[in-house]
Amino acid sequence: NAGVIQTPRHKVTGKGQEATLWCEPISGHSAVFWYRQTIVQGLEFLTYFRNQAPIDDSGMPKERFSAQMPNQSHSTLKIQSTQPQDSAVYLCASSLVWGASSYEQYFGPGTRLTVL
Amino acid sequence: QEKVQQSPESLIVPEGAMVSLNCSFSDSASQSIWWYQQHPGKGPKALISIFSNGNKKEGRLTVYLNRASLHVSLHIKDSQPSDSAVYLCAALNTEGADRLTFGKGTQLIIQP
Repeated sequence: NAGVIQTPRHKVTGKGQEATLWCEPISGHSAVFWYRQTIVQGLEFLTYFRNQAPIDDSGMPKERFSAQMPNQSHSTLKIQSTQPQDSAVYLCASSLVWGASSYEQYFGPGTRLTVL
Repeated sequence: QEKVQQSPESLIVPEGAMVSLNCSFSDSASQSIWWYQQHPGKGPKALISIFSNGNKKEGRLTVYLNRASLHVSLHIKDSQPSDSAVYLCAALNTEGADRLTFGKGTQLIIQP
């Protein structure tokens, strides 16, 4: 089991460019989560999918951020017109099931996005 | 909205010492509290969770939950240099928002 895979590990973009981050969840896990981590704000929830369906995107900045899960083996987080304040580590996590239960979230190593 | 606060921000202890980390949460309806460990350049890894008032022990880890005071603590016995990491407390609240809310973490350094 390779765990949650995130690519690329590092990405540098210029201000105004687009960035697409990829996540491959653990096989068989039905829930996929995206988080953003910075020194100042800590680990912030962005969005999550259950059985590929978007369930909660209340943490997503609405105008430039979007997430998709076209199949059970990968999810993408797209940031349009990147800004310096988008610089952060973006973490993907997956869970066997999710809800009022005890199933843990398994995190990937993250993608460090730097916007110049 | 759930708020999770952790203390101290950082802690340095000698190898072999008992470590105590604290976490307070704002919503008594939180279903469960999780502790995650994060090493530099890695994603967080779940260590232990607790749902019921009281304590739970797993190996060198013991967690105490007091719902009345909205407080949870993590204790690490016989600390090792490999325990050096950031420890994150997270509350799960499934009423209206099926998500984990994380605190900002405690940076723990175990000195050999």
